[in-house]
Amino acid sequence: GIQVEQSPPDLILQEGANSTLRCNFSDSVNNLQWFHQNPWGQLINLFYIPSGTKQNGRLSATTVATERYSLLYISSSQTTDSGVYFCAGYQGAQKLVFGQGTRLTINP
Amino acid sequence: ETGVTQTPRHLVMGMTNKKSLKCEQHLGHNAMYWYKQSAKKPLELMFVYNFKEQTENNSVPSRFSPECPNSSHLFLHLHTLQPEDSALYLCASSQHPTSGTEQYFGPGTRLTVT
Repeated sequence: GIQVEQSPPDLILQEGANSTLRCNFSDSVNNLQWFHQNPWGQLINLFYIPSGTKQNGRLSATTVATERYSLLYISSSQTTDSGVYFCAGYQGAQKLVFGQGTRLTINP
Repeated sequence: ETGVTQTPRHLVMGMTNKKSLKCEQHLGHNAMYWYKQSAKKPLELMFVYNFKEQTENNSVPSRFSPECPNSSHLFLHLHTLQPEDSALYLCASSQHPTSGTEQYFGPGTRLTVT
């Protein structure tokens, strides 16, 4: 099966800073999602992005399927952005394969 | 996000107990999933149900027994668990069981096996 690698594993920033999180795939995927897991464990959907670029407020994501990576950009970070960010690729029709996550800490 | 609900949110059980986790989706979806998130490990897919039929069992031990009575409800029956089964159990749903339809997750049940 595919392997999903996220970097960096941990990121500590000051409020207002910008950040880029990366997700690499060992093989091609049909589609992929980015999630934010809050401190209570809830996985919140950020992007569903097979290719190209999408933006939602201060967040944007870019997937380059031919090169097997995706990037999540967070601009003007806020303390509420803290948590763990996961990317997950679809292997086959329904199997989501998750990376280990990037733990983001935004300090005031 | 209240599209997918899970109960209970927390559960502590002994190794000889029998308990069940419940998941309900209010999104009109046709596919439902169970995932396990252990400490320091990636989320792992356990089971997939499409239109109430199980279509994937990811080599899950038989002490975990899923049940899907209809497209809106999914249960995970637990019996004779081990301490290493302590984890966050997440339910998800998607609209249609075709390639890569977006999955939505519930808040999870945090299980502790003593």
